[in-house]
Amino acid sequence: NAGVTQTPKFQVLKTGQSMTLQCAQDMNHEYMSWYRQDPGMGLRLIHYSVGAGITDQGEVPNGYNVSRSTTEDFPLRLLSAAPSQTSVYFCASSYLGGGPYNEQFFGPGTRLTVL
Amino acid sequence: AQSVTQLDSQVPVFEEAPVELRCNYSSSVSVYLFWYVQYPNQGLQLLLKYLSGSTLVKGINGFEAEFNKSQTSFHLRKPSVHISDTAEYFCAVRVLKAGNMLTFGGGTRLMVKP
Repeated sequence: NAGVTQTPKFQVLKTGQSMTLQCAQDMNHEYMSWYRQDPGMGLRLIHYSVGAGITDQGEVPNGYNVSRSTTEDFPLRLLSAAPSQTSVYFCASSYLGGGPYNEQFFGPGTRLTVL
Repeated sequence: AQSVTQLDSQVPVFEEAPVELRCNYSSSVSVYLFWYVQYPNQGLQLLLKYLSGSTLVKGINGFEAEFNKSQTSFHLRKPSVHISDTAEYFCAVRVLKAGNMLTFGGGTRLMVKP
């Protein structure tokens, strides 16, 4: 199993450009989510999905779009990048439900710089 | 809404010394508690978790944490650290019966010196 994979690992954008961060998992997990990590602020939830066709907003959704057309993939789109979106982005997945054994598995991250 | 506070942003310590990384949380309902570790340029890896039962939880790499309900704390400890423990450590909570969403603290950078 590859686990949770993210591409690209690094990206530099100019203000106003758009791009898509890719996330895929091969564990048949229903739940997938995107976090951003900023110094001193830990990880903050951007969007999450509980299954194909179902998405919802997290704590910091503004400026980001998501869709979930398959169980495996959960791309994150920046429609018009802003310097405030410079961050490290992590995708995570788990089985659905708040049960104690539903550990979230994290991808290696995408480091995004917006100039 | 729940929140997590990690009281120290950086903790320098010498190799083979003991260490404690502090975590306090606030929530009006019961939560599950987690510690994650992030090695340089990597994703997050689960260290340990408290679900119920014994308040002392043992994790990987010799780490343990103690849940204190009255003080709403979940401090992480290791009796003797190694250079390879240098990493950032995150405390997180998940509200019971509220799905899979995690709320993270700001992180503590553990720097182990020779």
